[in-house]
Amino acid sequence: DTAVSQTPKYLVTQMGNDKSIKCEQNLGHDTMYWYKQDSKKFLKIMFSYNNKELIINETVPNRFSPKSPDKAHLNLHINSLELGDSAVYFCASSHPGLAGGPRETQYFGPGTRLLVL
Amino acid sequence: EDKVVQSPLSLVVHEGDTVTLNCSYEVTNFRSLLWYKQEKKAPTFLFMLTSSGIEKKSGRLSSILDKKELFSILNITATQTGDSAVYLCAGGIQGAQKLVFGQGTRLTINP
Repeated sequence: DTAVSQTPKYLVTQMGNDKSIKCEQNLGHDTMYWYKQDSKKFLKIMFSYNNKELIINETVPNRFSPKSPDKAHLNLHINSLELGDSAVYFCASSHPGLAGGPRETQYFGPGTRLLVL
Repeated sequence: EDKVVQSPLSLVVHEGDTVTLNCSYEVTNFRSLLWYKQEKKAPTFLFMLTSSGIEKKSGRLSSILDKKELFSILNITATQTGDSAVYLCAGGIQGAQKLVFGQGTRLTINP
């Protein structure tokens, strides 16, 4: 009955590889997000999707490509991994707003810790 | 550029103490201020504040927003070791469904 789930939890890979992280939410939310949290715990938004449509893209290198097959899933594919990509990546989702609650209350997944060697 | 700044960055107190965490913001088209608690994994939602001067309370935690001075505080009374975490503050932007996070305050409660 996990609300926002991510796989894998840990990912260790070599520089130059391509990897994907998957996210699923069963909260009925229409908006999903990807955040990157660096070693100093700074959470920065990367992407946001609303009903499978990209609405926020925060100057992220185009090696990062999000894909939303439906509104319950938002996956993140990373090409040509670099050392600086090492971080924890969090997926989040938010309420539909109005009767469903304010849009800004975002619920986070457990995170994927990525280590690029 | 939108900015959220938290202070202190780190705080160590004894169980039973009261703590106040600060958050100031410069956010264009500001709509709301949110507080999250992050222990080992995912940030978990604590409060969302949209109106100035109205305190929100949940058990020993309370928070208030001052939209004139552009800051919020999070108070925790009678702290317990389970309150040890990183507390994150975020500004919500009108119509953008986007949160701008501060760098967090790492709170450690010693027994």
